[in-house]
Amino acid sequence: RKEVEQDPGPFNVPEGATVAFNCTYSNSASQSFFWYRQDCRKEPKLLMSVYSSGNEDGRFTAQLNRASQYISLLIRDSKLSDSATYLCVVNSAGFQKLVFGTGTRLLVSP
Amino acid sequence: EAGVTQFPSHSVIEKGQTVTLRCDPISGHDNLYWYRRVMGKEIKFLLHFVKESKQDESGMPNNRFLAERTGGTYSTLKVQPAELEDSGVYFCASSRDEKLFFGSGTQLSVL
Repeated sequence: RKEVEQDPGPFNVPEGATVAFNCTYSNSASQSFFWYRQDCRKEPKLLMSVYSSGNEDGRFTAQLNRASQYISLLIRDSKLSDSATYLCVVNSAGFQKLVFGTGTRLLVSP
Repeated sequence: EAGVTQFPSHSVIEKGQTVTLRCDPISGHDNLYWYRRVMGKEIKFLLHFVKESKQDESGMPNNRFLAERTGGTYSTLKVQPAELEDSGVYFCASSRDEKLFFGSGTQLSVL
């Protein structure tokens, strides 16, 4: 079983739609959680950290459920520029070592 | 502020040859990481430097891979001899804290 699991998609949505991605992790000792965005043939870039209390950054909302060991990302009012692969990333306790999911591909169409 | 830079951006070599990848982290970042993505798989951790010291090299696949960070500045990752399964994108990242900044990667193709 992979340590971080994501639905690879693709998720095809029209502009303006709301879309949600989930991710599960297996290491209950994990301490830090992130969503990274990766455009085609580019490097991953940090989109947002995920906190237990949930956090929001504009159209993006991230949630963490430690009991069920899953992380979610909600994108509201999707833009064409949101098309990318969204990587769920976990940092295990005591280690400076990120564990990546395979990513969920999002395609936003006009 | 300059980002993480990697060289070369692409490298095509034959099986059995040697390749050296270079990474220049963001100035002032003590932490430097190497990650790799092979075709169709997730990005995987290779190793972590804190300044010039190897903090964690648990992700290095085998002894054909050698990473160095002389003087705690730039880092090199050498693959010798390269095998077909080494093909992939090698990312370097640096950080001061938990926020990692990635370079654009080196696409390595071993033929």
